[in-house]
Amino acid sequence: DTEVTQTPKHLVMGMTNKKSLKCEQHMGHRAMYWYKQKAKKPPELMFVYSYEKLSINESVPSRFSPECPNSSLLNLHLHALQPEDSALYLCASSPLLRGITGELFFGEGSRLTVL
Amino acid sequence: GQNIDQPTEMTATEGAIVQINCTYQTSGFNGLFWYQQHAGEAPTFLSYNVLDGLEEKGRFSSFLSRSKGYSYLLLKELQMKDSASYLCAVRDNPSNYGQNFVFGPGTRLSVLP
Repeated sequence: DTEVTQTPKHLVMGMTNKKSLKCEQHMGHRAMYWYKQKAKKPPELMFVYSYEKLSINESVPSRFSPECPNSSLLNLHLHALQPEDSALYLCASSPLLRGITGELFFGEGSRLTVL
Repeated sequence: GQNIDQPTEMTATEGAIVQINCTYQTSGFNGLFWYQQHAGEAPTFLSYNVLDGLEEKGRFSSFLSRSKGYSYLLLKELQMKDSASYLCAVRDNPSNYGQNFVFGPGTRLSVLP
């Protein structure tokens, strides 16, 4: 199994809603990531979890709240988002051994629209 | 600071060869990765270099010069399906919690018949 699975594929939410994006991998990877990607732009790193601990938070607003319940799952909780948060949210995982991170495996993304 | 530069757009003809350049100036370096991303899809891994020189994988090759902060991706025998964005990404130095990847702006390649 070499897949990273993200749900939902599409999400439309109002600015007062609370929703969550989910990501799952069964490759035994110990690093998991959330990236945000706007149209015609490269992915921008939001959060990194290494060994289920938050290791990088790239100054992301608190309306985005990550969670890593176990080594296979990664969630992104969304609350009080703004229209400018509309984007493709990509989850990725990578092998991690003795401080060396292998290539990223991306999920297909969750396309978020905030009205 | 982190600065990675790629041409914004390139156009080539089916069957031709195209070279996509990437230059970088980053605070740490432990490898350069190339990803392909079709419109509306997730990036997929193509190739990576950690030492100087050329790495070949079928129709795709990638080259790295660490002293020049320069890499290129070479695509041979272009096919229409190669129309996509190509992202170079620099991997940070190792740390206790692993490494981060910084992506360049991407190059949108259009392959014409």
